[in-house]
Amino acid sequence: DGGITQSPKYLFRKEGQNVTLSCEQNLNHDAMYWYRQDPGQGLRLIYYSQIVNDFQKGDIAEGYSVSREKKESFPLTVTSAQKNPTAFYLCASSGGKVTLSSYNEQFFGPGTRLTVL
Amino acid sequence: SQQGEEDPQALSIQEGENATMNCSYKTSINNLQWYRQNSGRGLVHLILIRSNEREKHSGRLRVTLDTSKKSSSLLITASRAADTASYFCATGGGSNYKLTFGKGTLLTVNP
Repeated sequence: DGGITQSPKYLFRKEGQNVTLSCEQNLNHDAMYWYRQDPGQGLRLIYYSQIVNDFQKGDIAEGYSVSREKKESFPLTVTSAQKNPTAFYLCASSGGKVTLSSYNEQFFGPGTRLTVL
Repeated sequence: SQQGEEDPQALSIQEGENATMNCSYKTSINNLQWYRQNSGRGLVHLILIRSNEREKHSGRLRVTLDTSKKSSSLLITASRAADTASYFCATGGGSNYKLTFGKGTLLTVNP
């Protein structure tokens, strides 16, 4: 059963703590993404990775860090430097390089809701 | 930066009616996609339209694209209560993988 999973579903963090959100995919996708969604808002890109051992900052990377050591995994760490981390975090993956015959449809995980106590 | 802007922000209709949502964007694209999100869940891809296409159908969905006006519309025909969700447009351009999402339209279909 192919797909993309995120864990945990709910996460609570005390101020000053770092937390890591897990994202795993078995779709054999090259690219993976992390988005943040605030209530009533769209998705904002935090980081993305087009290939193993490489990643780029998105629009709101400050206070976050990622790694891409394996094709299947793209964990996101929310550091204490992120001043307002309470949000819904979504991970996604897509198949590969855009060509004339393939496009960048993204497949999303179920999300992790992070709350700072 | 968010390129796509959906309109309206919220839409409430009765079951059986059609729902139309619009998306405007600012820069050139090579494709535009529509996604659906049920409350508290991940997004699900609905349909993709390429920049050289003007209209595309999938089941009860119809998408149009007008690149001269930099706009797209999503029509859901014969809506059902189960269509209640937020709908997002996302634009892709160039050779990278990134998509830029709008803020979405919240559709409520009343039984």
